[in-house]
Amino acid sequence: SQKIEQNSEALNIQEGKTATLTCNYTNYSPAYLQWYRQDPGRGPVFLLLIRENEKEKRKERLKVTFDTTLKQSLFHITASQPADSATYLCALGYSTLTFGKGTMLLVSP
Amino acid sequence: NAGVTQTPKFRILKIGQSMTLQCTQDMNHNYMYWYRQDPGMGLKLIYYSVGAGITDKGEVPNGYNVSRSTTEDFPLRLELAAPSQTSVYFCASGGTVEDTQYFGPGTRLTVL
Repeated sequence: SQKIEQNSEALNIQEGKTATLTCNYTNYSPAYLQWYRQDPGRGPVFLLLIRENEKEKRKERLKVTFDTTLKQSLFHITASQPADSATYLCALGYSTLTFGKGTMLLVSP
Repeated sequence: NAGVTQTPKFRILKIGQSMTLQCTQDMNHNYMYWYRQDPGMGLKLIYYSVGAGITDKGEVPNGYNVSRSTTEDFPLRLELAAPSQTSVYFCASGGTVEDTQYFGPGTRLTVL
């Protein structure tokens, strides 16, 4: 069956460092992959989309990579800030989106 | 633009009761979705719609029904509520199949 794995443990980093979140998947061939941010008590908010034929996408301090051979996406936040603290969800898409459970990021001052 | 709005924000139901969760979007999106999110779990797709009059089942449709009579509205109906339906429900919309999904604020439902 399809499986999406994101680190279940929270990622704790210091302000100014680069945060790297991992999304691994099995038994799936997504056409694209999206990353969302979710704050407590709120709905997810879209951050980035990357298609299967793209290796890397950037948006301001955000960078996402997509390796269809390794079946892995990495999501980077450079120069992290306490305001970046949230849960980050990866979602694999073909006709509909399948979401991972998310990884909580905590950025301390 | 209000985006995606959901009502109610909170609701407590007794076992066996029924209710409708409302979802409205003002972005003229064709695609609309209903998800549920349980604590520590990812979003699970319940139902989705690719346009008015067209709906399809997602991963966890049992115990729910939907309709899509207009582009703007996509209500989710719970018949005979069960404790297993205690969850946070999110409605989302998107312009195309791989487009950004815009989420509503969610409805927190408890079934006792």
